Amino acid sequence: QKEVEQDPGPLSVPEGAIVSLNCTYSNSAFQYFMWYRQYSRKGPELLMYTYSSGNKEDGRFTAQVDKSSKYISLFIRDSQPSDSATYLCAIMDSSYKLIFGSGTRLLVRP
Amino acid sequence: EAGVTQFPSHSVIEKGQTVTLRCDPISGHDNLYWYRRVMGKEIKFLLHFVKESKQDESGMPNNRFLAERTGGTYSTLKVQPAELEDSGVYFCASSQRSRAGAYNEQFFGPGTRLTVL
Repeated sequence: QKEVEQDPGPLSVPEGAIVSLNCTYSNSAFQYFMWYRQYSRKGPELLMYTYSSGNKEDGRFTAQVDKSSKYISLFIRDSQPSDSATYLCAIMDSSYKLIFGSGTRLLVRP
Repeated sequence: EAGVTQFPSHSVIEKGQTVTLRCDPISGHDNLYWYRRVMGKEIKFLLHFVKESKQDESGMPNNRFLAERTGGTYSTLKVQPAELEDSGVYFCASSQRSRAGAYNEQFFGPGTRLTVL
């Protein structure tokens, strides 16, 4: 079983839609949860991180962690074509290394 | 401030040859990480340097891979001899000095795309 599971998509939505991206994880000891965005031929770029359970909002983006169900989510409101990218969930383990999901490709159609 | 840089951006070599990838972290970052994404798979950790010392090399696939960080600045990752399954994108990331239990953002470079024919 993978430590972090993520649906690879692709996910295609019209501009303005609300996007929901999700991951599950297996180790209940994890405390830091990240969402990275990766454009084609670029490196991953941190969007948001969350410590433990709860929500975190930054503009159109909301990250949510439910530790009881080992479920992490990223919501994008009013999606824009510029949001088209691969979104990677990641967890930081106790030795500071990142464990990534496989990434979900998102296409926002104008 | 310059970000993490990696060289080359793309390398095409034949099976059995040697390739050396280079990473220049953000200035002042003690932590340097190497990750790899092979086709169809998730990005996976290879190893972690703190300054010039290898902190964790549990992700290195085998002894054909050698990473160095002389002087605690830039790092190199050498693959010798390269095999077909080594093809993928190799990412480098750096972060500031870690405080116990605290989060330090890892900043990623653009990656080196390695193709072994």
